Amino acid sequence: EVQLLESGGGLVQPGGSLRLSCAASGFAFSSYAMSWVRQAPGKGLEWVSSITGSGFSTYYADSVKGRFTISREKSNNTVYLQMKSLSAEDTAVYYCAKDGASQWLVRPPDYWGQGTLVTVSS
Amino acid sequence: DIQMTQSPSSLSASVGDRVTITCRASQDISNYLAWFQQKPGKAPKSLIYAASTLQSGVPSKFSGSGSGTDFTLTISSLQPEDFATYYCQQYSSSPPTFGGGTKVEI
Repeated sequence: EVQLLESGGGLVQPGGSLRLSCAASGFAFSSYAMSWVRQAPGKGLEWVSSITGSGFSTYYADSVKGRFTISREKSNNTVYLQMKSLSAEDTAVYYCAKDGASQWLVRPPDYWGQGTLVTVSS
Repeated sequence: DIQMTQSPSSLSASVGDRVTITCRASQDISNYLAWFQQKPGKAPKSLIYAASTLQSGVPSKFSGSGSGTDFTLTISSLQPEDFATYYCQQYSSSPPTFGGGTKVEI
């Protein structure tokens, strides 16, 4: 059974940093790209970042480029999203998702985590 | 960026109804179109990819069609568990973009 368990969300002040983690299990971790998708309160879904199965290639939405860094660690089957210079516009539930292929934009997400809430406020 | 427009933004339906949701892309995306279902307070659930291929475990009452710029999601016989918000997403080019959602209400 595929499981994705996010952690690391919380309340952070504007300009602060936070690292989200997504522990994956139930599938061959290195064989699939992984993505982060966020949802601001009462709003729709927004793609944030993706990383290929190999970890060699990463991709970012313009809204987070230069501030967020995605990475993955195969030793513990975990994907990370390091976030810095956070602003109120980054307040959202952040979902980790397993893509359907090793390369990005070949297959969309097929499994999602339960999400972790990030609130940026003073 | 490719814009995805869903219609309607919301609809009211009854148990047993056949429901169709439309998604239009601002440019040709071939069949690189996915559908997701989201219930309040829950994570999205993947339903369909490649415009018409059901994800594993998704019941056959869900179907998708279309190519190019115009796509539809159909629920053949609406059940209580199907009341949710549905999103389309294009993954033809970066950045992948979502439609604004269609809320299916009782």
